Amino acid sequence: AQSVAQPEDQVNVAEGNPLTVKCTYSVSGNPYLFWYVQYPNRGLQFLLKYITGDNLVKGSYGFEAEFNKSQTSFHLKKPSALVSDSALYFCAVRDVYSSASKIIFGSGTRLSIRP
Amino acid sequence: DGGITQSPKYLFRKEGQNVTLSCEQNLNHDAMYWYRQDPGQGLRLIYYSQIVNDFQKGDIAEGYSVSREKKESFPLTVTSAQKNPTAFYLCASRKPGLAGDRTDTQYFGPGTRLTVL
Repeated sequence: AQSVAQPEDQVNVAEGNPLTVKCTYSVSGNPYLFWYVQYPNRGLQFLLKYITGDNLVKGSYGFEAEFNKSQTSFHLKKPSALVSDSALYFCAVRDVYSSASKIIFGSGTRLSIRP
Repeated sequence: DGGITQSPKYLFRKEGQNVTLSCEQNLNHDAMYWYRQDPGQGLRLIYYSQIVNDFQKGDIAEGYSVSREKKESFPLTVTSAQKNPTAFYLCASRKPGLAGDRTDTQYFGPGTRLTVL
């Protein structure tokens, strides 16, 4: 079965420090991985996706994600955190068995950036 | 959220009532999806539609119904059979990737928060 796991419910980082939000995946075949962000009482916003090729994917708002096939991970990173980055972050994987492009989401990680 | 609208933003329902959540998109996307979000559980797929006049059940379809009479619209009805309907409901549509590359991305509306009184 396809799945993603976000092992941390919450991540706390000081403003200006680098941040990492962890995600591991379990898929059959090539993974198609996504990161989304959700601000309070809002819908999800697409940040970035991994298809194939470069292991470092650059996305919106200065975020990037590192694909590591040997560790089956797709961690979200940012070199210098902003208070405005505080939100709920979801890792997701495309269900390769679905002809309807269904996406399977992780449980989410709440990122809190303190001033 | 641009291009996908959901209404209302907040909805209150009495037990035993059916309510309908609206989702409209002007992105010319064929596929649309409904998700339910509960704290600590991520998003779960309720229904999806790949084309007008066609839709399929997702992982938690019981107590819900949908229609897809127009490409732009995919309303969700929460029926009285749904025993625990209080949740945040998200609609999404899918921008297709290039043919055969399966790189398509889903884009989300702002959500509707449903509360049962």
